[in-house]
Amino acid sequence: DGGITQSPKYLFRKEGQNVTLSCEQNLNHDAMYWYRQDPGQGLRLIYYSQIVNDFQKGDIAEGYSVSREKKESFPLTVTSAQKNPTAFYLCASSIRRTGNTIYFGEGSWLTVV
Amino acid sequence: GESVGLHLPTLSVQEGDNSIINCAYSNSASDYFIWYKQESGKGPQFIIDIRSNMDKRQGQRVTVLLNKTVKHLSLQIAATQPGDSAVYFCAEQKRGGGADGLTFGKGTHLIIQP
Repeated sequence: DGGITQSPKYLFRKEGQNVTLSCEQNLNHDAMYWYRQDPGQGLRLIYYSQIVNDFQKGDIAEGYSVSREKKESFPLTVTSAQKNPTAFYLCASSIRRTGNTIYFGEGSWLTVV
Repeated sequence: GESVGLHLPTLSVQEGDNSIINCAYSNSASDYFIWYKQESGKGPQFIIDIRSNMDKRQGQRVTVLLNKTVKHLSLQIAATQPGDSAVYFCAEQKRGGGADGLTFGKGTHLIIQP
């Protein structure tokens, strides 16, 4: 089936640790995105990538890093610099950056312990 | 700044009735709008979209209405079913902007009463 796969579904991070969330899509989409969702708030953009080997900061990029070495993959690393990382993280993709619907993965829950 | 908001945080309807979920947007430069459904603990699911050159668009059991004069968007769900229980939120995109420029509303929780 075509779609966006995020893993793991649940992840626990200790203070001072970096963790990486995986996002893979087999939709042949050029553009990929990472969003953060907190209770009672709208989605906020962390990073996006229009094409392989290119990515841009979103509204809340501090404390996060990404890579786009392959078209299908856009992993997000939550670094120790992110002071409030507990949230629901959503990966998304679209055919291209402009004028197209974006589709979401099932999300990953990150909790700091 | 831009904002997309919903008038009601929770909407409760009887099973079989029609539901109307509203969304107000503030950016008159927005020309593309999307409705998403998000079930608890899951990712948002695309429902329907509409571009600003249209006033109405219909899907299966859903209709989106766009009133550009008052910058208002609504999602109508016909004959609501238990499976329609979820949070619904709208998103807007500026003309010429990309998906990275989408602004999302906070959502309305639709509850279906048996």
